[in-house]
Amino acid sequence: QKEVEQNSGPLSVPEGAIASLNCTYSDRGSQSFFWYRQYSGKSPELIMSIYSNGDKEDGRFTAQLNKASQYVSLLIRDSQPSDSATYLCAVNGSSNTGKLIFGQGTTLQVKP
Amino acid sequence: DAGVTQSPTHLIKTRGQQVTLRCSPKSGHDTVSWYQQALGQGPQFIFQYYEEEERQRGNFPDRFSGHQFPNYSSELNVNALLLGDSALYLCASSLEGPNYGYTFGSGTRLTVV
Repeated sequence: QKEVEQNSGPLSVPEGAIASLNCTYSDRGSQSFFWYRQYSGKSPELIMSIYSNGDKEDGRFTAQLNKASQYVSLLIRDSQPSDSATYLCAVNGSSNTGKLIFGQGTTLQVKP
Repeated sequence: DAGVTQSPTHLIKTRGQQVTLRCSPKSGHDTVSWYQQALGQGPQFIFQYYEEEERQRGNFPDRFSGHQFPNYSSELNVNALLLGDSALYLCASSLEGPNYGYTFGSGTRLTVV
């Protein structure tokens, strides 16, 4: 079992729709969770962090965390073509030293 | 405010050679982590440096080594290069602790021929 799992996609949504990206993790003691966006040929860029169960909203982005189910998701409302990228889920394991473990990423395509 | 800077941006090496990649962290950051990213994959953790010491290491052979300097900058060294070492090498800096996300540099694209 991979430590952090994501569906590689591609996930294709029409412009203006809600994109839902999902991630599961294996270390039940994980405490910190992050979403990164990576455009083709570029480096990852941090877009959201979440530490507690529930939802966290930042503009068009909402991160959701359910530690009991070991599940974290990212919702993108009013998706724009500029949101087309690979979204990486990253988890800080129970060792709590700041080492982030990344999933393989989900490619999102927003079609005009 | 300068972000994370990496050098060089691109590098071509021959099998068996050695390479050194360099990273300057974002101002105020004291922790540096190195990742290897193959095409179509997520970043794989190589190691992390804090207070000039290697604090954690991923599943990479001893051919991969590193260093952190007193000014928090860091180097990644890879010896006896293999074709499979071809990848994007990412440096990330952060504050020490589990609740701080990383800031990534633009990466070094290493090609081994």
